[in-house]
Amino acid sequence: GAGVSQSPRYKVAKRGQDVALRCDPISGHVSLFWYQQALGQGPEFLTYFQNEAQLDKSGLPSDRFFAERPEGSVSTLKIQRTQQEDSAVYLCASSLVPTGPYEQYFGPGTRLTVT
Amino acid sequence: ILNVEQSPQSLHVQEGDSTNFTCSFPSSNFYALHWYRWETAKSPEALFVMTLNGDEKKKGRISATLNTKEGYSYLYIKGSQPEDSATYLCASGSSNTGKLIFGQGTTLQVKP
Repeated sequence: GAGVSQSPRYKVAKRGQDVALRCDPISGHVSLFWYQQALGQGPEFLTYFQNEAQLDKSGLPSDRFFAERPEGSVSTLKIQRTQQEDSAVYLCASSLVPTGPYEQYFGPGTRLTVT
Repeated sequence: ILNVEQSPQSLHVQEGDSTNFTCSFPSSNFYALHWYRWETAKSPEALFVMTLNGDEKKKGRISATLNTKEGYSYLYIKGSQPEDSATYLCASGSSNTGKLIFGQGTTLQVKP
């Protein structure tokens, strides 16, 4: 079956532009996570959805970052007025159940470069 | 230990060598430990999810052990192959949201 997909795979933005990154989770997966991986670092948690509810946004680095999942399936991560420090790989992951030690299924990521 | 830490940062081995990596994590309030393999241009792939102290898991030539009391996990690869070349990530899982706290990864390169 289809895994988690993300689009675009690569995005180059000029500093100050707004960008929108899309995540299509595995159908039926309740939980959805966004992570940010800067060069040379491990992925860092940004935000978490359970269905359409955003239950944890403690990892969003600033109010320029906004995420939504309005119908409990597809999610969009929006970054306003991009800065060079936003350059990173943005990973989306989904999980079938809302809690428990279950594996998360990751997409291939969107590599954002801000020039 | 406050964060998840992995060592070494990178590793170069010859085909056929066996190798191992270390993941250290906070032992207090432990819930779950995840291992992922991330090949270039692909999605991170789950290897193991471990919860019990002393647990050992195996998938083919790859195995992992877990010590929750002292806060470490080892990942072993027996007889490394070039297709094992990847970044190996470990992550500590949260009980209430499932969010993962990752280490910085160990990048393995296996030379033919």
